[in-house]
Amino acid sequence: DIQMTQSPSSLSASVGDRVTVTCRASQSISTYVNWYWQKPGRAPALLIYAASRLQSGVPSRFSGRGSGTDFSLTINNLQPEDFATYYCQQTYSTPPTFGGGTRVEI
Amino acid sequence: QVQLQESGPGLVKPSQTLSLTCTVTGGLISRGGSYWGWVRQHPGKGLEWIGYIYYSGETFYNPSLKSRLTISPDMSKNQFSLNLKSVTAADTAVYYCTRVETGGESWIDPWSPGTLVTVSS
Repeated sequence: DIQMTQSPSSLSASVGDRVTVTCRASQSISTYVNWYWQKPGRAPALLIYAASRLQSGVPSRFSGRGSGTDFSLTINNLQPEDFATYYCQQTYSTPPTFGGGTRVEI
Repeated sequence: QVQLQESGPGLVKPSQTLSLTCTVTGGLISRGGSYWGWVRQHPGKGLEWIGYIYYSGETFYNPSLKSRLTISPDMSKNQFSLNLKSVTAADTAVYYCTRVETGGESWIDPWSPGTLVTVSS
């Protein structure tokens, strides 16, 4: 199975900050990476697919980049509603696997 | 807009079978282009892919669960189901049903609200 190592596992930030979460794959996976966010008690929701494509309805302050083994999710101008846990996922091979999550908190 | 809603018992006894059904609205599982599947999340933990099914009946299962797992469609009701046999406390989790969109790459959208299934006597 491809392992997705996500870092940091948690971070503290303030409204207006720029935040970056990284994900490293255990082998090259092209751009087969998605990002999801999850608020407490809620289901995850798609933020970014294919490494850099913004899901419809997601604010433009979210962006993703990377290919091969290294990927990142950046949130510019962090907003109160952005405090959540973020997960990366690879879909290059079966089984698709998730990173361990990054909790973004105040 | 596709929406998913899971249903099934919230409590299952050890060694029994966990059965959940996902009802799909706003889209047809019998139409190609999407896979339909399940993801679970152990309490306070990360996400684990369970498996998915294509409209053709082709299934893809997590190897760690494959021996106990069946995912099957009910085209007439536009539903698909999860059956996990011989459960233990380690199967206690929130279970989400999902649609997997494909276009070269693939991604999960949308997710159901999730249902907590507890394995306990």
